[in-house]
Amino acid sequence: ELKVEQNPLFLSMQEGKNYTIYCNYSTTSDRLYWYRQDPGKSLESLFVLLSNGAVKQEGRLMASLDTKARLSTLHITAAVHDLSATYFCAVDKDSNYQLIWGAGTKLIIKP
Amino acid sequence: IAGITQAPTSQILAAGRRMTLRCTQDMRHNAMYWYRQDLGLGLRLIHYSNTAGTTGKGEVPDGYSVSRANTDDFPLTLASAVPSQTSVYFCASSPDPSYNEQFFGPGTRLTVL
Repeated sequence: ELKVEQNPLFLSMQEGKNYTIYCNYSTTSDRLYWYRQDPGKSLESLFVLLSNGAVKQEGRLMASLDTKARLSTLHITAAVHDLSATYFCAVDKDSNYQLIWGAGTKLIIKP
Repeated sequence: IAGITQAPTSQILAAGRRMTLRCTQDMRHNAMYWYRQDLGLGLRLIHYSNTAGTTGKGEVPDGYSVSRANTDDFPLTLASAVPSQTSVYFCASSPDPSYNEQFFGPGTRLTVL
């Protein structure tokens, strides 16, 4: 069964701390997507990782992809309250133009 | 540029009624998707369309139908709504199925009583 597993599913942390969200997947895809969803809102694309070793950074967020390990990480540096949201990863389904979604990681950053 | 619009924003519907959720994009994207999002179940694909004139079934298609008469519009119809279809529905589009960064509409919150 094709799966995308995110870890942890819930994370409460203090401002100023660093933390990493993990996304493991079981397909052979070499493309991975990270999204952000604020409560009651839609999903917003954060990063598109297109190949092994890809790394992208935006502000305090950095995403990386290791296709051999089938693992992507979303690293948060010196967290701030505004980063509180649910973060989803998704991968392309083999030979099919659909995405397989992780369950999401709900991140709460306390001032 | 509006991106993707969905209508209505929210709706309360009696069970057994027919309902069409509208989705329009102005980005000339080839692929479009309908998802439902339920607490604890994440995002689940209902139907998709890789290009105008074609549609396909996703993970949870039962009770729903779609059409793709043109590039811009991708309506989702509930033929006879049931309470288990209470959910938040998101429409999304991507430029091409081979580059699948999906852009999401604002969502429709549907309650079936």
